[in-house]
Amino acid sequence: DQQVKQNSPSLSVQEGRISILNCDYTNSMFDYFLWYKKYPAEGPTFLISISSIKDKNEDGRFTVFLNKSAKHLSLHIVPSQPGDSAVYFCAAKLRNSGNTPLVFGKGTRLSVIA
Amino acid sequence: DGGITQSPKYLFRKEGQNVTLSCEQNLNHDAMYWYRQDPGQGLRLIYYSQIVNDFQKGDIAEGYSVSREKKESFPLTVTSAQKNPTAFYLCASSHTGLAKNIQYFGAGTRLSVL
Repeated sequence: DQQVKQNSPSLSVQEGRISILNCDYTNSMFDYFLWYKKYPAEGPTFLISISSIKDKNEDGRFTVFLNKSAKHLSLHIVPSQPGDSAVYFCAAKLRNSGNTPLVFGKGTRLSVIA
Repeated sequence: DGGITQSPKYLFRKEGQNVTLSCEQNLNHDAMYWYRQDPGQGLRLIYYSQIVNDFQKGDIAEGYSVSREKKESFPLTVTSAQKNPTAFYLCASSHTGLAKNIQYFGAGTRLSVL
């Protein structure tokens, strides 16, 4: 039973346009959400996160939106650049769970076309 | 500089052979994790350790073993019981005691069967 779902395996976007990556979750006990970016044959790198007490967090070209009632979050990248082409993983953490592992989605492959 | 080092980058296993993947971190993190990535499967948790001399099974622990004798090191052994070991293996670490848990990843080890 997947608790964190990324329903789009892939996404293609023109350079300069907005990329929107979506993530849904089922467990209402998740209270912290993260996005990771992964290039082939490399480890994922942390990109941006959001706490459940917020509905938006912004860092440069990257913005994450959280809709708790819909159990949905999204990552917006604007403007998209060719170097953004990678696999993006959504991850979630249980409230007050100490250092138990993050729960990851299966990832969305973003291709930014020049 | 601080980080997580995985070695080797590429590893080949013969039938019936046990192989050990190394993971070392100098971030002074208490918790360490092992994940396996297969195409289209995202990151699946094998084992994790929240403290020295203690570890827990993840979702796909069968055919794997770990040890955590030192804070800095969390080696993963892929035993002959793991019938489909070909995958990309990722090690991660994180602090304990924080409500927000960002996991930092190594560069990965690609294991193939000869």
